[in-house]
Amino acid sequence: DAKTTQPNSMESNEEEPVHLPCNHSTISGTDYIHWYRQLPSQGPEYVIHGLTSNVNNRMASLAIAEDRKSSTLILHRATLRDAAVYYCILISGNTPLVFGKGTRLSVIA
Amino acid sequence: DSGVTQTPKHLITATGQRVTLRCSPRSGDLSVYWYQQSLDQGLQFLIQYYNGEERAKGNILERFSAQQFPDLHSELNLSSLELGDSALYFCASSVISGQSTEAFFGQGTRLTVV
Repeated sequence: DAKTTQPNSMESNEEEPVHLPCNHSTISGTDYIHWYRQLPSQGPEYVIHGLTSNVNNRMASLAIAEDRKSSTLILHRATLRDAAVYYCILISGNTPLVFGKGTRLSVIA
Repeated sequence: DSGVTQTPKHLITATGQRVTLRCSPRSGDLSVYWYQQSLDQGLQFLIQYYNGEERAKGNILERFSAQQFPDLHSELNLSSLELGDSALYFCASSVISGQSTEAFFGQGTRLTVV
């Protein structure tokens, strides 16, 4: 029972912004929205998380819809190093990280 | 470097054997998670420990077991190994378990069963 829906794959040109969408129409009020990514041959790494307000950090921005039923991870300038699988995950209470299939992002030079 | 250390990095063993994978969490992290990632498969959550106690269980086979020791390192034991157990096994740690904490992943142990 997937709680989030993401496109299987996306493509971006290098140095252009990338908007990775995630639908979570059944989100509950206590669910935090987390994003992780997994680069080839590496373990997953944390990108960003938020609850209601938009969030920014050095890696990315997270835009959360007002009704919280969707969110968008924004990479402001994609680089070849950003090619990875990106996972949008809902976490509530003490539930562990459960990964879905994610979005495979390809970056074209 | 995430601060999570997994050993060994690679392991090759025969069917029917038993292996132990080790994870040292980041200093101060109380929660440890184990994941399995097979070729072309997603990350499957296996089990979570928090301060020595089992906190959550995922798709972990009965042939697999884990524990977290008083020094907070964790071990994943895989027994009666089958070819299908060949996979990358990741460990992650976080300060606490919960919705507002980030998890840090190790580089994984690649297990090959022949």
